[in-house]
Amino acid sequence: EVQLVESGGGLVQPGGSLRVSCAASGFTFNNNSMNWVRQAPGKGLEWVSYISSSSSPIYYADSVKGRFTISRDNAKNSLYLQMSSLRAGDTAVYYCARLDSSGGAYYMDVWGKGTTVTVSS
Amino acid sequence: DIQMTQSPSSLSASVGDRVTITCRASESIRRVLNWYQQKPGRAPKLLIYAASSLQSGVPSRFSGSGSGTDFTLTISSLQPEDFATYFCQQSYSIPWTFGQGTKVEIK
Repeated sequence: EVQLVESGGGLVQPGGSLRVSCAASGFTFNNNSMNWVRQAPGKGLEWVSYISSSSSPIYYADSVKGRFTISRDNAKNSLYLQMSSLRAGDTAVYYCARLDSSGGAYYMDVWGKGTTVTVSS
Repeated sequence: DIQMTQSPSSLSASVGDRVTITCRASESIRRVLNWYQQKPGRAPKLLIYAASSLQSGVPSRFSGSGSGTDFTLTISSLQPEDFATYFCQQSYSIPWTFGQGTKVEIK
């Protein structure tokens, strides 16, 4: 079964750091680019970051650029998001999502259940 | 950044109704448009990619159309399990952006 499982969320103080992880199984992880997408409480979806299968290129949303770092370990079938200088506005459920492509479009076809990050004092 | 605007933001419908949700991009995105369904407390689920291609396993009552700036998601006969929030998303240019969502509720 194709599966993504996030972990590492929790409560962190403003200005703090946290690393969330995503464990992939059921597919050849190093064949796919990956993404992080977040959803603040009661809000819509926001794309956060992209990493290619080979770890280059990498892209970030402006809202996290310079504060968040995406990475992956293909040997461990794992994706990571290192978050620093966290703000209240970063409070959200963080989803990892697999990227696929067909018909001229990229799309996120497999999603994890998400991990909750709460930034509060 | 490309802005995605969905309408309506919410709608009430009955089982068996035909439901149409629209998504407008702030500039042309050709046919690089995806639709997702999200139920409360659950992760999004891919329904449609490349504007009109049905994701494997998704019921055929879901369909998508459009190109350029205007797109439509149609549910031909609403089922009880279809009550959810629907998001469009463009992957034409980074940053990829989502519409604000359309909540489909039971009338």
